[in-house]
Amino acid sequence: KAGVTQTPRYLIKTRGQQVTLSCSPISGHRSVSWYQQTPGQGLQFLFEYFSETQRNKGNFPGRFSGRQFSNSRSEMNVSTLELGDSALYLCASSVRQASSYNEQFFGPGTRLTVL
Amino acid sequence: GENVEQHPSTLSVQEGDSAVIKCTYSDSASNYFPWYKQELGKGPQLIIDIRSNVGEKKDQRIAVTLNKTAKHFSLHITETQPEDSAVYFCAASVFGNEKLTFGTGTRLTIIP
Repeated sequence: KAGVTQTPRYLIKTRGQQVTLSCSPISGHRSVSWYQQTPGQGLQFLFEYFSETQRNKGNFPGRFSGRQFSNSRSEMNVSTLELGDSALYLCASSVRQASSYNEQFFGPGTRLTVL
Repeated sequence: GENVEQHPSTLSVQEGDSAVIKCTYSDSASNYFPWYKQELGKGPQLIIDIRSNVGEKKDQRIAVTLNKTAKHFSLHITETQPEDSAVYFCAASVFGNEKLTFGTGTRLTIIP
């Protein structure tokens, strides 16, 4: 079974621009979560999507948004980029069954550099 | 909200020796504790997890223990090998909530 895929793997943008990152979950997984990883703040939860609805949100400004499509693929968007948005953005997918603990599997990430 | 502390931040171990990484969590509602291994240029890989109704779980050379009273959980790697060198993260979450709160990571180096 193919793992979580993320595109693109690397991005370079300038301040003020916006960016869209894409994530395709493992087949059969309906939940997609996004995390930001930086040397200073570590791994921080951004949001989770399930059945095309945002189910949970971390403590990030409104410039960070996302969506999920009917095939469970997800995109996240960052508008008005700031230097501090430079990070590895990771996507994780899970089955999200109500009656079980849901193991989350991560993709390789998208490395965003803001100049 | 939940806070997870992880120690040590770096750990060097002779090949063949054991390595132990410890985490503490703050939210008594947390009941799922996964461990991830992250190699350079890759995303975190789930290596083992433990649920709050279990005190210990073992998978070959890797074991995890949980002390709910003290809110501690630990990762034990025995007979370490060079390929165990990586950054290890502990995490905590609540059943039914996909949000993982991560520790700050431990860079494990296995010395040949």
